[in-house]
Formats: sequence, C-alpha cells, structure tokens
Amino acid sequence: DAGITQSPRYKITETGRQVTLMCHQTWSHSYMFWYRQDLGHGLRLIYYSAAADITDKGEVSDGYVVSRSKTENFPLTLESATRSQTSVYFCASSEGGLADSYEQYFGPGTRLTVT
Amino acid sequence: SQKIEQNSEALNIQEGKTATLTCNYTNYSPAYLQWYRQDPGRGPVFLLLIRENEKEKRKERLKVTFDTTLKQSLFHITASQPADSATYLCAPLVEYGNKLVFGAGTILRVKS
Repeated sequence: DAGITQSPRYKITETGRQVTLMCHQTWSHSYMFWYRQDLGHGLRLIYYSAAADITDKGEVSDGYVVSRSKTENFPLTLESATRSQTSVYFCASSEGGLADSYEQYFGPGTRLTVT
Repeated sequence: SQKIEQNSEALNIQEGKTATLTCNYTNYSPAYLQWYRQDPGRGPVFLLLIRENEKEKRKERLKVTFDTTLKQSLFHITASQPADSATYLCAPLVEYGNKLVFGAGTILRVKS
C-alpha cells in the first residue's frame, strides 16, 4: 500500500536499551523528518534529511541517531533509552522545493514507553 | 529563538458557527505557514499552506489569513460541523529545507 508507514506502532523498552524505530515511504520524497510529540510541547523536530545520506539535527536530537542509506527509509535509533524519551514519535516526508511542494505527510506514529 | 503561540484553551462552538483559531509567531519572518489537523491517536494531516505574499487562502469551508506585520495567521472554519472537532496545528517555515516549527495546537470542539 502506498504511503508512509512506521513500525512498530507500540514499543515498551527498558532504560539503557537501544531501540530503533522504522519509517518507510513509497513516494520517493526527498525530505524526511522525525518528530516527537509530548503533552504541552506539541511536535518537536528530532532529525531531518534532505536526501539519501544527508541528515541534520533538529531541536531535540540529543540521544538519537538517524541514517538514510535509501531514499525511502529513515530509521531513528535511541542509543541508550531514557525515561524522558517516552513519547509518541512521528515520521513525515515531503517532496521539497524542486516540486514547489512543501506539505508534510505524516505516518501513524509509534508510541514508545521507556520503563 | 522562534516562538509559536496558539490558543492554549480549547475552543468550543456550536454547529453551524464559524470557528476562528489564532497563531502568533515571534522572532522571525517565515516565507510560508502551514495548518494541519490532528485527530486523537493519529498523525497530523496537511490542510493549507499560505505564502508570505498571500493575504488569504481558501479551500472549501477553510480560510487562512497571514498578516506578516502582526506576525499572525488566522484559521477559519465556516459552517462548522461536529466532524471538524480535532486539534489544529500551526506550522511556520523555520528555514529552507522544509523545516517547520509546530505550535502546540488548539483543540476545537463543535457541538451539535
């Protein structure tokens, strides 16, 4: 099915463990983003990528790592999970400036709980 | 740093009325601003984009205004319906590269 998917949808992990959240889009969009959403803070940008092998930090990148070896995939890794990383994580994609199209398309989210 | 402010309290209106949501931003001048809708347990969905040289944009029952002097965008839903109940997010462009900064959102409740 075309679109943007995230996996897993729900994850419970323990403090100190490494966790990887997956994001896959079928549109070949240039831009991809990772956000976290917490009550009272809205959506905050963790990392973004303008193209394969090009990534940059967002507002709240500490403790997170990303990679983008293929255009369609943009995994987010929590190197050593902490309780403060309990949140809902959203992946998004966007065509970008060449297409003069800037709207972002969001995945369904991953609810992560760190115990 | 850039700051985005949306109505922190929920907006409760009667079906058929016009809902008006406010987005104020400070410390920068975005080239464009987007509005998204988010339902509980789901990702945001894009609604409208307005550019800095556009005063107003319409799409069906939706209307967005962008006042770069006041540093404010207003989002209107006319003839509101209970199905319009959701959280609405304002997102001005931070820098080129499609980077947006999102407001915390305003909850809209439309009662029949």
